[in-house]
Amino acid sequence: KQEVTQIPAALSVPEGENLVLNCSFTDSAIYNLQWFRQDPGKGLTSLLLIQSSQREQTSGRLNASLDKSSGRSTLYIAASQPGDSATYLCAWLGSSGSARQLTFGSGTQLTVLP
Amino acid sequence: DTAVSQTPKYLVTQMGNDKSIKCEQNLGHDTMYWYKQDSKKFLKIMFSYNNKELIINETVPNRFSPKSPDKAHLNLHINSLELGDSAVYFCASSQAGNTIYFGEGSWLTVV
Repeated sequence: KQEVTQIPAALSVPEGENLVLNCSFTDSAIYNLQWFRQDPGKGLTSLLLIQSSQREQTSGRLNASLDKSSGRSTLYIAASQPGDSATYLCAWLGSSGSARQLTFGSGTQLTVLP
Repeated sequence: DTAVSQTPKYLVTQMGNDKSIKCEQNLGHDTMYWYKQDSKKFLKIMFSYNNKELIINETVPNRFSPKSPDKAHLNLHINSLELGDSAVYFCASSQAGNTIYFGEGSWLTVV
């Protein structure tokens, strides 16, 4: 069964730092990998989606990479800001079968201190 | 306009009651989902519908019954609510395995 793991579970950094969030998955038959942000009391907002044929995607200060062979994805946040404080979740979508479903990691809770 | 909207946002109810959560998406997507987020913030798929047909039905109690009257709607009905059903329930939609869009969540508290 697919497992998605996120490390660290929580991270606290001073404003302005660059940081990396890690996501690992056990099943390499991947269709895509998505990164989400969840603010307290809110739903999930999609940040980046990387297709299995891609190695990275960028949006503003965010860069997500995908390494299928090692079963890893990273989310790089440049020049962090207090407004980046949230829980970041990665989700794996498999490529096999018609009943595809996202499998989520447990998230990394990020706090950016002013 | 909200892409995926679900109601109610907050629901407090007594054990044993029956309640429904409604979800609508205006994105024209063909697939809709219900996810449950527990107290540890872990998100788990419950159901998935594609073009009004049930395609994913994870191991959830049969007190939970989804209904999809059309492609744009997926409702969740829960019978005989139990304390352990307290959680946040998220509706979501996507098109052909692309980006998935989530609703704001429905906070269910069973007392």
